[in-house]
Amino acid sequence: QLVLTQSPSASASLGASVKLTCTLSSGHSTYAITWHQQQPEKGPRYLMKVNSDGSHRKGGGIPDRFSGSSSGAERYLTISSLQSEDEADYYCQTWATGIRVFGGGTKLTVL
Amino acid sequence: QVQLVQSGAEVKKPGASVKVSCKASGYTFTNYGISWVRQAPGQGLEWMGWISAYNGNTNYAQNFQGRVTLTTDTSTSTAYMELRSLRSDDTAIYYCARDPVKYCTTTSCYTVDDNWFDPWGQGTLVTVSS
Repeated sequence: QLVLTQSPSASASLGASVKLTCTLSSGHSTYAITWHQQQPEKGPRYLMKVNSDGSHRKGGGIPDRFSGSSSGAERYLTISSLQSEDEADYYCQTWATGIRVFGGGTKLTVL
Repeated sequence: QVQLVQSGAEVKKPGASVKVSCKASGYTFTNYGISWVRQAPGQGLEWMGWISAYNGNTNYAQNFQGRVTLTTDTSTSTAYMELRSLRSDDTAIYYCARDPVKYCTTTSCYTVDDNWFDPWGQGTLVTVSS
């Protein structure tokens, strides 16, 4: 079964960097994923697609502070030079024929 | 610019149906699909289903099979999501999002580009209460 696992919460200080993790279920380690940001009281926003080889392609207008990478079944979202507006929920998403799957989301707190 | 604009908030009684619209602009509607996703209060994102704006084919999440119907009107570039037999736990914000899968055959799916769920609609709050 295709499942994405995310830690429920993460925190980092203003100006620091943070790396969020999304783990693909067994047998699906070659799947690409996408990352989406949901700021408080707002709808989700597409950030980027991350491939299994670590390459990534960001959506329009996404700052350079956001980057993606991969290792095995793990897909990462790294945010550098954290700003207050980065405090949000971050969801990973993937797909197979006939289905789309979301991870449970990680709530990022900027201290 | 590419935009999805959804219909306004709804209040429904248990057992009723709701139909939410999602009007697309800024791109060729029939080159993409539309996925629908809901978010219950304080919860995460839950995919409900996908429709091809190219040929109307659909895929539904197992949790919603038999209770949801996705349709499109290509003349107005609008997608619709109808959910029937509403319960209190259907109270949620419902989002549409552009899906890059244009259509699927029996063996494969054709994607236009790599932009999954880009963009999202602004969301429609559906409240189910007696």
